[in-house]
Parts: sequence; C-alpha cells; structure tokens
Amino acid sequence: GQNIDQPTEMTATEGAIVQINCTYQTSGFNGLFWYQQHAGEAPTFLSYNVLDGLEEKGRFSSFLSRSKGYSYLLLKELQMKDSASYLCAVNRDDKIIFGKGTRLHILP
Amino acid sequence: EAGVVQSPRYKIIEKKQPVAFWCNPISGHNTLYWYLQNLGQGPELLIRYENEEAVDDSQLPKDRFSAERLKGVDSTLKIQPAELGDSAVYLCASSSRTGGTGELFFGEGSRLTVL
Repeated sequence: GQNIDQPTEMTATEGAIVQINCTYQTSGFNGLFWYQQHAGEAPTFLSYNVLDGLEEKGRFSSFLSRSKGYSYLLLKELQMKDSASYLCAVNRDDKIIFGKGTRLHILP
Repeated sequence: EAGVVQSPRYKIIEKKQPVAFWCNPISGHNTLYWYLQNLGQGPELLIRYENEEAVDDSQLPKDRFSAERLKGVDSTLKIQPAELGDSAVYLCASSSRTGGTGELFFGEGSRLTVL
C-alpha cells in the first residue's frame, strides 16, 4: 500500500506481549492510524498519532517517530480475541492510505 | 447512535452487468470515503467526499466506476460494466473531521462477487 510496510503475519502466545511495526514514506505525512480488523468484519479504530512519542490506551499502545518514518503498535496481556489483522494507515496529504495489514495469530 | 449503513451486504452478478452500492454515513459526518478491500489486503481508497464535493477521486477507475453524493449525505458507488477483477469488499467510511485527521467509522461493507 503505497510504501507502507508492515509484516504480513505474526504469532504470539496468550498473555504475552507483541509489537507490530510499521514503516512509511515520510513525504506529506500528517499522522498515523492503527485499526483492528477481525475476519469478515469492518476495521475499527485503535489509535491516531500525530506527534512523536508513545500513547497508551489500556492494553494497547502506539508509538511514532516522524523523523524515522516508523511506528509500532504494542499489545500487552494478549487475549484470544486479539487474533485479527492490524492495519497501519498514514494520513498523507490529507489522504488516508492503508498498509496491507499484519495478521496476528494468538496461540493458547 | 446509528453507525454507517451499507447495502447490499452481498451481491453476485455476472461480468459485464452493472452494480450499485449505497452508503448512509453517521449523521453529521461531512467526510465520506469509499474503499475497496481484497482478501488479505488493506483497504484501497477509491474516492473521498467533503460534503457533496469529491475532493479526491484520483484512484477511481473512471472508465467503469462512478460515484455521487447528492445533498452531501448518503452516497452511491456504481460499477458498469463489472469485470471479474472487481470482486472485492466495498467499504464505506465516514468521519466528523476533514483533511483525514479524524477517526474513520466503517460500515460492514458490500461484498461483490463477479462471475
């Protein structure tokens, strides 16, 4: 998705921590979103980062480094219901562009 | 509060037939998006509206796709004629913010199968 890169798949164990990385082209950058999408369902909003740093929201945290064109989503205390695709999306020149998503598998 | 409503949820047509999808955004949301999503891929932007104006339709294949948002509320996306490669989920999303700065609220999507 237009120079937004994230791993295709990841596997983690219930109760553990996982970090999903996203790198993007920095030209025209205005902000970065993370969305969660369960199979067969619509994406739902997780976070929006505009400034550098870490934003924490319950078990989920999102980090942004604008100069490096890098973000990550950190999921703590993984639960089986966290099995889903996680989409990184960049606001580039007012256009929201999605990456291809990372499918996260949670093992019991 | 009602979410984004799309119809139909599923549509099966033969190639070369026309098809139309309808979207009603969340009340008060002036920004509306149409995305296309293939299996295992992220959503791809087709068109973005601010009120009734299409402010970004650069990704819309205009030879066969068209969209409208009369009166700046609900919107229709049309494909005529459909091709096999158009099989996908068509997602509509709305936002209360302009310029891509706000959370997108997605509808459940319209799944198109072209035979």
